[in-house]
Amino acid sequence: ETGVTQSPTHLIKTRGQQVTLRCSSQSGHNTVSWYQQALGQGPQFIFQYYREEENGRGNFPPRFSGLQFPNYSSELNVNALELDDSALYLCASSVGIGSSYEQYFGPGTRLTVT
Amino acid sequence: GESVGLHLPTLSVQEGDNSIINCAYSNSASDYFIWYKQESGKGPQFIIDIRSNMDKRQGQRVTVLLNKTVKHLSLQIAATQPGDSAVYFCADLGGSYIPTFGRGTSLIVHP
Repeated sequence: ETGVTQSPTHLIKTRGQQVTLRCSSQSGHNTVSWYQQALGQGPQFIFQYYREEENGRGNFPPRFSGLQFPNYSSELNVNALELDDSALYLCASSVGIGSSYEQYFGPGTRLTVT
Repeated sequence: GESVGLHLPTLSVQEGDNSIINCAYSNSASDYFIWYKQESGKGPQFIIDIRSNMDKRQGQRVTVLLNKTVKHLSLQIAATQPGDSAVYFCADLGGSYIPTFGRGTSLIVHP
């Protein structure tokens, strides 16, 4: 186990609703990255937070937003859910931004939008 | 656009055989690659990495080969075990240390 936890494990939402996913980093890690993994695809980078500030963003619309808290845990918020948002959402924690390859992934939250 | 992709979506092998998983990349400026293993219900797990100044790197039962001329990587797993069954991704980190994942290859190991 990596020490990165995510909640909830599974979630079902209706199109147009809003959702908040949570991630607790591995102890000592101050960087969190979020990824979207559609079925049968590789993870796609959404954004990264370092010391509570957004440090980089992938090709996702503004309705995907995030927060990082002083204890380095993090939230991913998605507004106005669309059917294509159905995916596994992964968070990964690491130490610092130059060493983001040393990422430890959580088990993910499976989001289904109906 | 740039992409990282895999040649075969599924690879089936017998326990004890050697497995070879291939990956092609298109960004000629890519200089750092990682192979990840993702088991069912889990997030990706780091296996081995290689930088562009190397052609080969070995780990425990795994070897990664990098051919920059044809922009191709391979992951070789020796004496494949049932516990190796998973989806394997190659990822290109470019200069930002944010991995760009390929689609993945599902490795199925038959006892």
